[in-house]
Amino acid sequence: GAVVSQHPSWVICKSGTSVKIECRSLDFQATTMFWYRQFPKQSLMLMATSNEGSKATYEQGVEKDKFLINHASLTLSTLTVTSAHPEDSSFYICSASAPGRSSSYEQYFGPGTRLTVT
Amino acid sequence: AQSVTQPDIHITVSEGASLELRCNYSYGATPYLFWYVQSPGQGLQLLLKYFSGDTLVQGIKGFEAEFKRSQSSFNLRKPSVHWSDAAEYFCAVASNTDKLIFGTGTRLQVFP
Repeated sequence: GAVVSQHPSWVICKSGTSVKIECRSLDFQATTMFWYRQFPKQSLMLMATSNEGSKATYEQGVEKDKFLINHASLTLSTLTVTSAHPEDSSFYICSASAPGRSSSYEQYFGPGTRLTVT
Repeated sequence: AQSVTQPDIHITVSEGASLELRCNYSYGATPYLFWYVQSPGQGLQLLLKYFSGDTLVQGIKGFEAEFKRSQSSFNLRKPSVHWSDAAEYFCAVASNTDKLIFGTGTRLQVFP
């Protein structure tokens, strides 16, 4: 149980285009989803927190107009990287939490999406 | 402010040897602590967690961790390492806003 999927697992796009990454909780309802960014050989950096039906809360330094997050349902959140540039190339990981399932502090992680912008 | 420190960036052990990965945290209240493992190009898998109760926590894959409040530590241990344990290990603490604060990670390399 508590499976989180991401799609696509990897994507290559041209500079200036937009790309959407989906994060789904497959067997539970996720009231909160988190989006992280991870550079090679580094730790995870939280980008934003999203609650179903609400606007996402972005961490300091993260451009909300560039990284659009939508949490339209209790099982789906999307991250859209708009007007992507090579410096946006990274590994993006989502996670989901489900109060009542275990603890509101426990997060279930997706397998990640490798984005390469050429 | 909450923080997590993993002093060891890279550790190398021989297969069959014991392992201890260090984690120190800074948090004012009772912490919720986690250890995750990440294989290359993969997401994070939860090894174990501590919320309350017994300070020695058993996890998956033969791992355990001990919460020591006096030392603000939550070190991860395994008595006998397998080659498949080679990966990146992250310690994390949950903040009072439901966010996870991660350490910088420890890369484990296992020699046959």
